[in-house]
Amino acid sequence: QKEVEQDPGPLSVPEGAIVSLNCTYSNSAFQYFMWYRQYSRKGPELLMYTYSSGNKEDGRFTAQVDKSSKYISLFIRDSQPSDSATYLCAFRDNYGQNFVFGPGTRLSVLP
Amino acid sequence: DSGVTQTPKHLITATGQRVTLRCSPRSGDLSVYWYQQSLDQGLQFLIQYYNGEERAKGNILERFSAQQFPDLHSELNLSSLELGDSALYFCASSAQGGRPTEAFFGQGTRLTVV
Repeated sequence: QKEVEQDPGPLSVPEGAIVSLNCTYSNSAFQYFMWYRQYSRKGPELLMYTYSSGNKEDGRFTAQVDKSSKYISLFIRDSQPSDSATYLCAFRDNYGQNFVFGPGTRLSVLP
Repeated sequence: DSGVTQTPKHLITATGQRVTLRCSPRSGDLSVYWYQQSLDQGLQFLIQYYNGEERAKGNILERFSAQQFPDLHSELNLSSLELGDSALYFCASSAQGGRPTEAFFGQGTRLTVV
């Protein structure tokens, strides 16, 4: 079983749709959960960072963590063409020094 | 702007050559991470330095090496380059305190080996 699994997409949605992006993980030591957005050939940009189960909202973005199911999600409301990018989930534990990234989901929001 | 600076932005070199990529972390960040991203591939962790010392190693080839200097900037050295080394190389930095924090990425160096 891979440490992190993420649907690679591509995922195409119409403008204004609600988008759900998901990752599952197997390492129960992961305590810190992140979502990054990466535009084509650019550096990943941090979108959301959380360390507890539940929901965290920031504007049109909501990060959801379910530690018991080892499942995290990112919801994008009122999606815009500018949201078209690859979304990477990332994880970290209390002791490890590295970040573990998912392979990314490519999202296209069509006008 | 993440505050992480990478130079150069683009690099074109021939097979067999050696190049050095440079990274300046965000002010105050002690940890620097190097990642490789080939075309349409995920981020592959190469190596991490913390306050000048190697902290973790990923799938880094023996032809590659890195170091972090006293001023905390880091360099990634790639030698005996092969066509397959063509990729985006990202540097990220994070603070180290009582609780692990998120990583901030630079804009990357695009290496093309011809």
